Amino acid sequence: DIQMTQSPSSLSASVGDRVTITCRASQSISTYLMWYQQKTGKAPKLLIYAASSLQSGVPSRFSGSGSETDFSLTISSLQPEDFATYFCQQSNNIPWTFGQGTKVEIK
Amino acid sequence: QVQLQESGPGLVKPSQTLSLICTVTGASISSGGYNWSWIRQHPGKGPEWIGCIYYSGRTYYNPALKSRIIISVDTSKNQFSLKLNSVTAADTAVYYCARVAGGGYLNWFDPWGQGTRVTVSS
Repeated sequence: DIQMTQSPSSLSASVGDRVTITCRASQSISTYLMWYQQKTGKAPKLLIYAASSLQSGVPSRFSGSGSETDFSLTISSLQPEDFATYFCQQSNNIPWTFGQGTKVEIK
Repeated sequence: QVQLQESGPGLVKPSQTLSLICTVTGASISSGGYNWSWIRQHPGKGPEWIGCIYYSGRTYYNPALKSRIIISVDTSKNQFSLKLNSVTAADTAVYYCARVAGGGYLNWFDPWGQGTRVTVSS
């Protein structure tokens, strides 16, 4: 199985901060990488697909980059509604696998 | 607007079979173009993909669970279902159904159902 490792596991930030979360795959996955946001008690919501394509309706402050094994999700200016847990997911190989999550908390 | 809704027992006894149904509204499973998936999430962990099914009945399973799961589709009811047998406490999780979009090697989950919590306990 392809292991997806996110860092950090959690971070504290303030409204307006620029935040970057990284995701590393245990082997090359081209750009078959997605990012999701999950709020407490809710289902994950797709933010980014194909490493850098913004899902319709997602604010442009979210952006994704990377290829092969190293990827990042950036929130350019953190908003109150962005405090949540973020997961990456690969679909290069079955089983499709997720990272363990990065929790973004209020400083 | 496509919506998915999970249903099924919230409590299952050890060694028994967990059975869940996902009802799809706003889209027809039989129209093709998408796979339909089950995903679970243990408390405080990342989601775990269980498997998915196409309207034709073609399935893809997580090898770690393959020996215990069956995913099936009922196009007449616009539903797909999950059966997980021989459950243990390790199968206690929130179970989600989701549509799989994309194609080829690029596959993502959108939208998701709200999730249903299943506890395995005697």
